[in-house]
Amino acid sequence: DQQVKQNSPSLSVQEGRISILNCDYTNSMFDYFLWYKKYPAEGPTFLISISSIKDKNEDGRFTVFLNKSAKHLSLHIVPSQPGDSAVYFCAATGTASKLTFGTGTRLQVTL
Amino acid sequence: DADVTQTPRNRITKTGKRIMLECSQTKGHDRMYWYRQDPGLGLRLIYYSFDVKDINKGEISDGYSVSRQAQAKFSLSLESAIPNQTALYFCATSSSRGSGSVYEQFFGPGTRLTVL
Repeated sequence: DQQVKQNSPSLSVQEGRISILNCDYTNSMFDYFLWYKKYPAEGPTFLISISSIKDKNEDGRFTVFLNKSAKHLSLHIVPSQPGDSAVYFCAATGTASKLTFGTGTRLQVTL
Repeated sequence: DADVTQTPRNRITKTGKRIMLECSQTKGHDRMYWYRQDPGLGLRLIYYSFDVKDINKGEISDGYSVSRQAQAKFSLSLESAIPNQTALYFCATSSSRGSGSVYEQFFGPGTRLTVL
């Protein structure tokens, strides 16, 4: 039972354009959401997070949007850069402080 | 210097062998985790420990055991390795204190394990 879903395994975006990565969740007890970025041969690194009391959080080129009624969050990267090419995982947690990860989306930013 | 280190980085072993993966951290965090990553399945939690005397099973603990030898060390053992345990294994840490989010986890570089 996949409680956190990333339905797009891959995404290709041109440099300078917007990248939008999507994530859906089913567990209504989740109240904090995170995005991680992973390069090959490295561990995931934290990118940005959002609490369920907010609907948007912005950090430089990265913005995460949360739609609680739809149980959907998205990560926007503007403008996309070649160095953003990586696998992106969304993760969710509730009171247990354990993270449940999605399956990942591979983003390729082309020149 | 890496804050979360994992040894070995790569390991090839045979079915039935016992193998231990080790994780050390210098972040001073009290919480540690073991995950495995498989293609198309994302990261799945194997075991986690919120302090030295606390060990908890994750969603896929069968076939694995762990030991929290000290606050900074958390090892994962495969008592009798099988081919479907071939995966990329990650250790992670987090802190229940401090100014950052208690939910943010910091990952090691991973161990690629192949069971023949």
